Amino acid sequence: DTGVSQDPRHKITKRGQNVTFRCDPISEHNRLYWYRQTLGQGPEFLTYFQNEAQLEKSRLLSDRFSAERPKGSFSTLEIQRTEQGDSAMYLCASSLARAGRLNYGYTFGSGTRLTVV
Amino acid sequence: GIQVEQSPPDLILQEGANSTLRCNFSDSVNNLQWFHQNPWGQLINLFYIPSGTKQNGRLSATTVATERYSLLYISSSQTTDSGVYFCAVDTGGFKTIFGAGTRLFVKA
Repeated sequence: DTGVSQDPRHKITKRGQNVTFRCDPISEHNRLYWYRQTLGQGPEFLTYFQNEAQLEKSRLLSDRFSAERPKGSFSTLEIQRTEQGDSAMYLCASSLARAGRLNYGYTFGSGTRLTVV
Repeated sequence: GIQVEQSPPDLILQEGANSTLRCNFSDSVNNLQWFHQNPWGQLINLFYIPSGTKQNGRLSATTVATERYSLLYISSSQTTDSGVYFCAVDTGGFKTIFGAGTRLFVKA
């Protein structure tokens, strides 16, 4: 297991189109997170999964955004009717937690850079 | 919500110099992590340090949870240390809040 994988690395799409990103976490990690990062800013939390359950969503995640983690394995993040303001780096991270507490820190993937034109 | 402030915002060092980066947070935290984002955008976890001191090679970190701050020390800096250093905290919920980062450039 070489780490957290994200696909695609880059995506250019026209405004109004739908896009879907995939994240494959480290296999033994039970927590998965999606973050968004714009130029010059720190990553902003979008949503979090404990196994297959989506336990928290940020207010940043409008109705156009949806995330899934079927069977507690890989996760997808879909953006419908993309807008230019959605242009950003979308980062996925995973971690291992037991008894409700992190055992170690997060491992991030390389991200998917989305450009909406 | 919790506020995370990092200082300095920007730092330029000559190769071989030492530096200290600071992270202040406005509330009690369960977890604190330091990350390095390299010029290609990859975020690397440096330390998971809710309290105490840890060392890893030329890097070390100290978190004083009772006083709500953490420090990241970089000794004998190298050009490969360039990038952005983020402090990230969580207060017991599921989301980790990142600071705005310290942008470091190490000159050869």
